[in-house]
Parts: sequence; C-alpha cells; structure tokens
Amino acid sequence: EAGVTQFPSHSVIEKGQTVTLRCDPISGHDNLYWYRRVMGKEIKFLLHFVKESKQDESGMPNNRFLAERTGGTYSTLKVQPAELEDSGVYFCASRDGRTAKNIQYFGAGTRLSVL
Amino acid sequence: QKEVEQDPGPLSVPEGAIVSLNCTYSNSAFQYFMWYRQYSRKGPELLMYTYSSGNKEDGRFTAQVDKSSKYISLFIRDSQPSDSATYLCAMLYGNKLVFGAGTILRVKS
Repeated sequence: EAGVTQFPSHSVIEKGQTVTLRCDPISGHDNLYWYRRVMGKEIKFLLHFVKESKQDESGMPNNRFLAERTGGTYSTLKVQPAELEDSGVYFCASRDGRTAKNIQYFGAGTRLSVL
Repeated sequence: QKEVEQDPGPLSVPEGAIVSLNCTYSNSAFQYFMWYRQYSRKGPELLMYTYSSGNKEDGRFTAQVDKSSKYISLFIRDSQPSDSATYLCAMLYGNKLVFGAGTILRVKS
C-alpha cells in the first residue's frame, strides 16, 4: 500500500512568485492534514480536511495560503505571493476516519525555499 | 510559553545504551500522546501511541505518561546506530497534533 506522497520534494522560488504543493493521501483516507515546520521551530498545524470540506483552518498563517481538496482525494496548498518567511518544510498527513485511533500518517514533506 | 517543551539535544550515546527522551506540556486538555521518529529528509513515523498514565512497551521502546505531572517519556533500550534520528513528541488536541521541537539522537557504534 502506498503511503502519503508529496511533490515536489523541494521547490526553490523567488519572493513574490506562486508555488503549489500537492499531497496524495493514503488511498481511502478521508482525513487530510497540512503541517509546516519553519527553521528552528516545531512542526505546526495548518489545516484539516474531511473529504473535500475544511474542518479546521485555524493554523493557516494568512490569506496568501489557499488549500483545496476537490473531489476529496488529493490536496493542493498554494502560496501566492510567496514571502521569505514561508520557507520551511510542508508536511501532509492522512488518517482513516473509520478507525477509533487518531493516527496520522505523514508524507516526506516538501521543502520550500523562498529566495 | 510553548504548549509542549522538548529538549532539542543533540543527545549522543554509545551503542547499547538506554536512552531517555522527555517532554513536558502545559495543556490539561491533551489526552493522547504520541512519539514519532523522523529520519533525515523523511516524514515523521509513528512509534508509540498512548492514552492513559502509565507505561506502554513495544519491543525496545517504552512510552511513559504521567498526566499529573504533565510529563511524558520515551525509553529506548539497547540503542542501535539505526536509532539515530529526531524524536518528536506529539499530543492530540481535537483533531490536530501539537508537536515538541524534537530531540536529535545520535547513537555511536
């Protein structure tokens, strides 16, 4: 069974440009999460989807970030326009909501460098 | 004050040593406690998942939770070079995970 896949693995862009990150959850997982780790800080929650609906987007830093999950399968996270402080590693995680345990499985992350 | 405090290390130990990793937290609403292991350039991988105070053992790993002191620990017995990684404590708050900063562990052969 394939795990959570994210791409690109690394993206280098200039300040002001747009970047779109993609996450493919484990097949059948209806819950999808985005997290971010900026340099020297802990991994922080960004938002949570159940199927195509946003359940909690309290961690989104500002309106330059837009997450979508059309069709309830893969998700994209767009940053527009990117700023220097957006650099970091963006992780996606998925969970099977049919199970009682809240176990989130993580992808390898996308390392974003904004120059 | 951070919700979860974790010493970032690095912690360097010889092969075969017992390793103790710890986190403290401030929010009594945290009910589920996890330890993740993260190798370089990889995503966090779940090691242990606990709910109640007490100990939970899985092979060489033991997770300990003390809710009264708001303190959790992960013990690794007979540590191996392959255990060298970053260890992250995480706590479930609603549906989201709240992470510690992670402790870098190096096991020297």
